[in-house]
Order: sequence, then structure tokens, then C-alpha cells
Amino acid sequence: DSGVTQTPKHLITATGQRVTLRCSPRSGDLSVYWYQQSLDQGLQFLIHYYNGEERAKGNILERFSAQQFPDLHSELNLSSLELGDSALYFCASTTSLAGVGEQFFGPGTRLTVL
Amino acid sequence: GNSVTQMEGPVTLSEEAFLTINCTYTATGYPSLFWYVQYPGEGLQLLLKATKADDKGSNKGFEATYRKETTSFHLEKGSVQVSDSAVYFCALTSYSGGGADGLTFGKGTHLIIQP
Repeated sequence: DSGVTQTPKHLITATGQRVTLRCSPRSGDLSVYWYQQSLDQGLQFLIHYYNGEERAKGNILERFSAQQFPDLHSELNLSSLELGDSALYFCASTTSLAGVGEQFFGPGTRLTVL
Repeated sequence: GNSVTQMEGPVTLSEEAFLTINCTYTATGYPSLFWYVQYPGEGLQLLLKATKADDKGSNKGFEATYRKETTSFHLEKGSVQVSDSAVYFCALTSYSGGGADGLTFGKGTHLIIQP
């Protein structure tokens, strides 16, 4: 158990809908990263938050957004969903801003768009 | 931009065989290098890391050395076990100044160890 929790574990929805994925980092970790894992694209970095502020963006679509709240949990919002958004979404947390430390991954949320 | 190239599997070996999974990278600046492992139905776990050239990361019998001259970080284990069957990801990260970019991953190598 990494100490990172993600909810829900599975999510099935229809094209055009909007969903919210939630991540609670390990106690004391200020950094939260979001990743997407799909068969065709592999594992891709989406976005990084540190202590409530956005710090880096990867291959995140404009239809996707995220935020980190004062209690340090984070939410990833996916809107106008398309079939191609079906994937495993992971969050990871770490104590540092600089990224040299270990990132602790949650178990993931499997999103299926029908 | 950053990129990681690793051999794709599946790689099938017999128990107690020697393992090498090749990983090469391109990156700006001085990246940190990682190997992560993913067991079926689980999230990724850090296996080992190296943060500067010539560093050797090691854990659970696995080793990898950060080779700046060949931009490589090959994973090795002298004697694999059935329990090592998993998907292995080589990854790197760099610091952009505003905050760390996320990990850049290779495609992953599916390792199957047969008894």
C-alpha cells in the first residue's frame, strides 16, 4: 500500500459526459502528479500540482483540468468525453518540488467511455 | 523534449536466468533516472533510481547504472524468479525551474518468468 488513494476504482460513462477523479496523496506530501495510461499512448504525464499551485503541464487536453485543494487532495476533471479517453488514470505524490525523489502511485481509476 | 526508449516484450525467461532490459534516453539538462515495476492490477512501484552520472541504483537484486556517455540506464538481475514477472518501466524526470515535470516513461517491458 503506497498510502495514495484514488476514487472511484472504476468509472463507466458515455461520450460527451463529464467526470471527476479524486486523489488523496500520502500524508505530508505536497506534490501531486496525474498520469494517463492507455494501450496506444502508454504512460503519459498530464499535470503537476505543488501545494495548491499548478507547476508543470504535460500532454493534457484542453477538455481536461485539475486542481489541488487546501487539504492537498486533488481532482482531475474530464469533460466532453470521447471514446479515446478510456484509460487508466493514476495519481502520484511526493514530498518534493524538484522531482528527484520517489513518486508514490495510487492504484488508479479505470475510465471506460462507451 | 525528453524521451525514453526501452525494449518491448514480452520477454520470456526461465527461472534463475540472467536478465537485461535495455533503456536509453534523451533529455535536456541533468535528468534523474528510474525503473518502476507494475504488477497486474496494481499501480507503479519504484524499483530503483539514480540521480547523477555513474550512480548505481539497486534493490531486490536488480541493478542499473546511470551512463551519461551512452545515455543509458539498463536494468539487470543475475537470477530471476517467477515472482519477478511484471511490467518494467524505465523513466526520467527533469526540473524545469517552476517545478518538476512529470516522469517520462518508456513503453514498458512485459517480463514473464517460467518455472
